[in-house]
Amino acid sequence: DVKVTQSSRYLVKRTGEKVFLECVQDMDHENMFWYRQDPGLGLRLIYFSYDVKMKEKGDIPEGYSVSREKKERFSLILESASTNQTSMYLCASSLLGGPGANVLTFGAGSRLTVL
Amino acid sequence: DQQVKQNSPSLSVQEGRISILNCDYTNSMFDYFLWYKKYPAEGPTFLISISSIKDKNEDGRFTVFLNKSAKHLSLHIVPSQPGDSAVYFCAASGSKTSYDKVIFGPGTSLSVIP
Repeated sequence: DVKVTQSSRYLVKRTGEKVFLECVQDMDHENMFWYRQDPGLGLRLIYFSYDVKMKEKGDIPEGYSVSREKKERFSLILESASTNQTSMYLCASSLLGGPGANVLTFGAGSRLTVL
Repeated sequence: DQQVKQNSPSLSVQEGRISILNCDYTNSMFDYFLWYKKYPAEGPTFLISISSIKDKNEDGRFTVFLNKSAKHLSLHIVPSQPGDSAVYFCAASGSKTSYDKVIFGPGTSLSVIP
């Protein structure tokens, strides 16, 4: 059963803390993504990566950074967490090309609360 | 400015009846459209897709219709079952065969009443 695994399901952090969200996929997918989901706004793309050490900004990259040192692992970093970053964070992966390129496989999500 | 819109935040349907979820988009460059389903505490899962060269795609109880001139698509679920109760996200992309950023709508929460 192919999978995208997000290491933390629930996190509570304080304003100003550094936060790491980890994501691992076992499908050998080239593309990996970080989205956040907020009520009424749907899923918004934060960053994506199409290869190791490559990254591209999405629609809302401010306040976030990412790291992709290995193909299967994509990390989202909040350098200094703020309350407006309280959200559900979803990691996803997909193939680089072909019919599956835009069919994303998602992890279960990480619910982050910043106090 | 949302490029993919789902104007109904919620929808309730009786079990066995048809559920129709609507989606509108503004970008005429979108070429590939997808529906995802999300249960609470789980990530979205891919449900069905349609390419812009088609106007209908069917998979079991799920059918997606595309009206390019109106920039409108809809997902029909027939017959609706209680297990279909979930949030449904419409999504759009500029390509079917190579990665192009996928834009999601805000979602419609479907409740199927037994």
